[in-house]
Amino acid sequence: GDSVTQTEGQVTVSESKSLIINCTYSATSIGYPNLFWYVRYPGEGLQLLLKVITAGQKGSSRGFEATYNKEATSFHLQKASVQESDSAVYYCALTSGGNYKPTFGKGTSLVVHP
Amino acid sequence: NAGVIQTPRHKVTGKGQEATLWCEPISGHSAVFWYRQTIVQGLEFLTYFRNQAPIDDSGMPKERFSAQMPNQSHSTLKIQSTQPQDSAVYLCASSFWASSYEQYFGPGTRLTVL
Repeated sequence: GDSVTQTEGQVTVSESKSLIINCTYSATSIGYPNLFWYVRYPGEGLQLLLKVITAGQKGSSRGFEATYNKEATSFHLQKASVQESDSAVYYCALTSGGNYKPTFGKGTSLVVHP
Repeated sequence: NAGVIQTPRHKVTGKGQEATLWCEPISGHSAVFWYRQTIVQGLEFLTYFRNQAPIDDSGMPKERFSAQMPNQSHSTLKIQSTQPQDSAVYLCASSFWASSYEQYFGPGTRLTVL
């Protein structure tokens, strides 16, 4: 079946520093998967941060970027300068082919220190 | 658009009691998903429906968990004979029926089994 592996546990970054949360995937269905980053801010529900459904394309939202790299089967989340308000739990996910059930990574907790 | 609605937000049950969780998807969305979220396991898929029909319940513990979608405006997740290990946040999500579309999550129901 499909699988998603992302940076595990907690990542701590100082405000204004750069960030990368790694995500690699394995999809068994024919064709390229659709890739997503979801985020859960403290006290809020899980919500979409960005998605890319075309291999080679880049998605961006709220200063975050992720590029769909089909050769490396990666979809790393990056931000050049994080803010304290970016502290949240981030999930990488994919859907593939006719499989409408998303496969999620285990989540990465980002803590940004002022 | 009120988003996905889940009730109750918090539920406390005694070991062996039954718990029923409710979800109202976004109007017009034809797919409804249920997940369980814990710190240890992350986001676990339970089951999903398309146009009210069950599609995949591969994540459901077979003996005590059941889910239904009697009409397009709500779905229920029932846990019989609750156990302490059932304590988790249960999330409901809805989406359009296409794998390229993102899911919209409800706020979750926090179930605590004493």
